[in-house]
Amino acid sequence: SQTIHQWPATLVQPVGSPLSLECTVEGTSNPNLYWYRQAAGRGLQLLFYSVGIGQISSEVPQNLSASRPQDRQFILSSKKLLLSDSGFYLCASGTSSIGDTQYFGPGTRLTVL
Amino acid sequence: GEDVEQSLFLSVREGDSSVINCTYTDSSSTYLYWYKQEPGAGLQLLTYIFSNMDMKQDQRLTVLLNKKDKHLSLRIADTQTGDSAIYFCAEGTGGYQKVTFGTGTKLQVIP
Repeated sequence: SQTIHQWPATLVQPVGSPLSLECTVEGTSNPNLYWYRQAAGRGLQLLFYSVGIGQISSEVPQNLSASRPQDRQFILSSKKLLLSDSGFYLCASGTSSIGDTQYFGPGTRLTVL
Repeated sequence: GEDVEQSLFLSVREGDSSVINCTYTDSSSTYLYWYKQEPGAGLQLLTYIFSNMDMKQDQRLTVLLNKKDKHLSLRIADTQTGDSAIYFCAEGTGGYQKVTFGTGTKLQVIP
């Protein structure tokens, strides 16, 4: 079975500072990877997805970017954080065995002050 | 585009059954999922159902699918306080897909 790691678990950053959130996956190869943001503990907004190394698709224009430097590593970044970037960020890994059922990491709570 | 809707909140007494409902719009949906999110944690896949099935039972969980009405429900029998969480319905079309999630239903179990 897959295990998805995310770090850090919590992060408090000032407005205008950079951001780097990391997600790594164990127990599978060539997964589809996703970044979601969840505001106020409700609803999932898909931010980015990736079907392979270096392949990133953006769902929502925003202050964030994503990269996939290795097969099982997915990074969410920002050069300058905004207050509106605060939220709970979830990484998910999809397996094609059952219609790309997605398995989620524990999440990172980001607070921008 | 695809849309998945759920009621926001449900409150039940411990020991009763809970029924969480979901409607979706994409008629090409092949897979439908239920996820559970406990406070401060990621989403945990509870169960899934293929669109050619009407029902799936897994211990205390029963999933019912009405494909004609695009209605999905999750029944939790003998609801426990540990079942308190947010439950997300999701749909996808198979193969590589972007799964569309509902807004989540917060289940509160009253002792």
